[in-house]
Amino acid sequence: SQQGEEDPQALSIQEGENATMNCSYKTSINNLQWYRQNSGRGLVHLILIRSNEREKHSGRLRVTLDTSKKSSSLLITASRAADTASYFCATDSENTGFQKLVFGTGTRLLVSP
Amino acid sequence: NAGVTQTPKFRVLKTGQSMTLLCAQDMNHEYMYWYRQDPGMGLRLIHYSVGEGTTAKGEVPDGYNVSRLKKQNFLLGLESAAPSQTSVYFCATTLGGGYTFGSGTRLTVV
Repeated sequence: SQQGEEDPQALSIQEGENATMNCSYKTSINNLQWYRQNSGRGLVHLILIRSNEREKHSGRLRVTLDTSKKSSSLLITASRAADTASYFCATDSENTGFQKLVFGTGTRLLVSP
Repeated sequence: NAGVTQTPKFRVLKTGQSMTLLCAQDMNHEYMYWYRQDPGMGLRLIHYSVGEGTTAKGEVPDGYNVSRLKKQNFLLGLESAAPSQTSVYFCATTLGGGYTFGSGTRLTVV
C-alpha cells in the first residue's frame, strides 16, 4: 500500500514560476525524501528531511515537514524547462526498524519555456 | 565509478518463460532493493537485502525470487513470467539515507 500521496498529480507552469508539490503520509516516520525522475530514467535523490527537522534547503529546492499533519511540501523556485520531470516523496517508517522507503504515486511537473 | 548498473535494459518474454535481472553496484552499499514501477502506482518494493547472503520480502514478492551471493550483486528472478509482471524494474542501493537507483529494466511479458 502507498504510504505517501502527492498532490497535485500533475502541474503545468511557465519558466521562472515557482512549483509547489505536496505529500501526505499515514504513519510516523524517521525521515522523508524527495526524488526526481526524468522520463525513461531512474529516480534521483533530491533531499532528505528528518522527522525532527521542519525545513531544509538545497539550491532552488525548499522542503518543509509538518509531522503533526503528516505532510511535506517541495518548493522549486525559479523553475526551468529542465525541471520537467516526475517528483516522488518517499517515507522511511520508524516502525520497520530498518530503512525501507515507501514511495508515493508522484507529481508530474511540466515547465514550459 | 558506474554506481548502480542494471542488465538487461529491455526484454520481451513469453508467458511461462524465466529470466534473471542483474543489479550490480560498486559503492560498497549494504542495502539493496528491487522495485517495480507501474503507471499510476508509483514504485512498489518487491524484495530487499540488508547484506550479503540475506534477502527479505517486500510489498509485492509473489512470482519473484532474489539472491545476494555477493555484496555487490542483487539478482531478481522470474521463474514463470506472467503478463501481470510487465513493468519497469528498478534496483536501488543505500548506506542509509538517500537511495541510488539504476536506470531500470523495461520488461514486457506477452
